[in-house]
Amino acid sequence: QVQLVESGGGVVQPGRSLRLSCAASGYTFTNHGMQWVRQAPGKGLEWVAAISYDGSKRHYADSVKGRFAISRDIPKNTLYLEMNSLRAEDTAVYYCARDASFYSCDYWGQGTLVTVSS
Amino acid sequence: QSALTQPPSASGSPGQSVTISCTGTSSDVGGYNYVSWYQQHPGKAPKLMIYDVSKRPSGVPDRFSGSKSGNTASLTVSGLQAEDEADYYCTSYAGSNDLGVFGGGTKLTVL
Repeated sequence: QVQLVESGGGVVQPGRSLRLSCAASGYTFTNHGMQWVRQAPGKGLEWVAAISYDGSKRHYADSVKGRFAISRDIPKNTLYLEMNSLRAEDTAVYYCARDASFYSCDYWGQGTLVTVSS
Repeated sequence: QSALTQPPSASGSPGQSVTISCTGTSSDVGGYNYVSWYQQHPGKAPKLMIYDVSKRPSGVPDRFSGSKSGNTASLTVSGLQAEDEADYYCTSYAGSNDLGVFGGGTKLTVL
């Protein structure tokens, strides 16, 4: 069965970096684009970054452009989100999700909490 | 990347129907037939309920239906049940050079 398992969250000081991972299993990794979506405490969902099935196209929310980078390691079936220059407003649960079609995400990870605080 | 507009809350009694709207622009909702709806229970990951405006993934009850008219999409939940109480988010494709956009979410209460 399809599984997405995030890791790498934690508490980090403002201005520091963190890398999130999402291990995918149970399907052909290269058949689907992937997404990172976040949800700040008590707030709604926000698309953070998207990457195409082959890694050739990447899109970012304006709020993270230039600070975050999405990538995928095909041999390892793993999605990454490199987060630099972190700010308090980046505090959120970060979900990875499999894109079935045009931002219709049919499988989601359990989420990993990132807290940016001094 | 402006958010889609949803009502913050909606409610209905068991067995009733409720419709949640999602208003965007001609650059997102109105321009493509790629509107999705997600259900999220507290502390859980979102679950895809509707995609491509009106299609249901396998396992989603047919009590959930989607539609679109112009720049506004809608999710209708018929025969409300207690387990339908959750937050619902719409999202739309916004073109190949942009990220998708979410609505602000609607909290559905089953009275």
